[in-house]
Amino acid sequence: AQSVTQLDSQVPVFEEAPVELRCNYSSSVSVYLFWYVQYPNQGLQLLLKYLSGSTLVKGINGFEAEFNKSQTSFHLRKPSVHISDTAEYFCAVSDSIIQGAQKLVFGQGTRLTINP
Amino acid sequence: KAGVTQTPRYLIKTRGQQVTLSCSPISGHRSVSWYQQTPGQGLQFLFEYFSETQRNKGNFPGRFSGRQFSNSRSEMNVSTLELGDSALYLCASSPPYRAYEQYFGPGTRLTVT
Repeated sequence: AQSVTQLDSQVPVFEEAPVELRCNYSSSVSVYLFWYVQYPNQGLQLLLKYLSGSTLVKGINGFEAEFNKSQTSFHLRKPSVHISDTAEYFCAVSDSIIQGAQKLVFGQGTRLTINP
Repeated sequence: KAGVTQTPRYLIKTRGQQVTLSCSPISGHRSVSWYQQTPGQGLQFLFEYFSETQRNKGNFPGRFSGRQFSNSRSEMNVSTLELGDSALYLCASSPPYRAYEQYFGPGTRLTVT
């Protein structure tokens, strides 16, 4: 079964500074990887996904992530953060159980706090 | 296109009672998954339904059950509520042939007292 580790539970950053949120997953033959964002009192919003192809994936709100198979990592980056990026971020991997059925396995989340 | 909707958004129940939560997927999506989110355990998979059939189930006791209707709407039921069932319950739907790509609703916040 797949597992996901988010290496930082909290990341404080100043506004307009760059940020990297780290994610490692257990190895597998092939994986689908995702980053979700959760704002207070809301559900999860899909930021970006890696299914195959280019290892650099661009998502919404200026975020991007790089898939690194050799290091089993999928780190999320943004070159310049804004106060509105304050939220909890979850890395997830799709775990295929049976043909057609999928479940997402999530990391514990990283709370990103942007300070003015 | 409207997103995933969940009702109710907030619910307070007493220990021992049962509760039913509802989820309407994005139009055209036939796969619906349910997750429980708590501060201690994080996000945990409950079950997944496709074409009215449960395809996958997480490691939860039998008090947690679900079903899916012919219009793809889904409900989950928790019987004999325990304090530890207090959580945010999230529903997600997936496009055809892309069950790995899940779009979440706003969740139902269940508080058990």
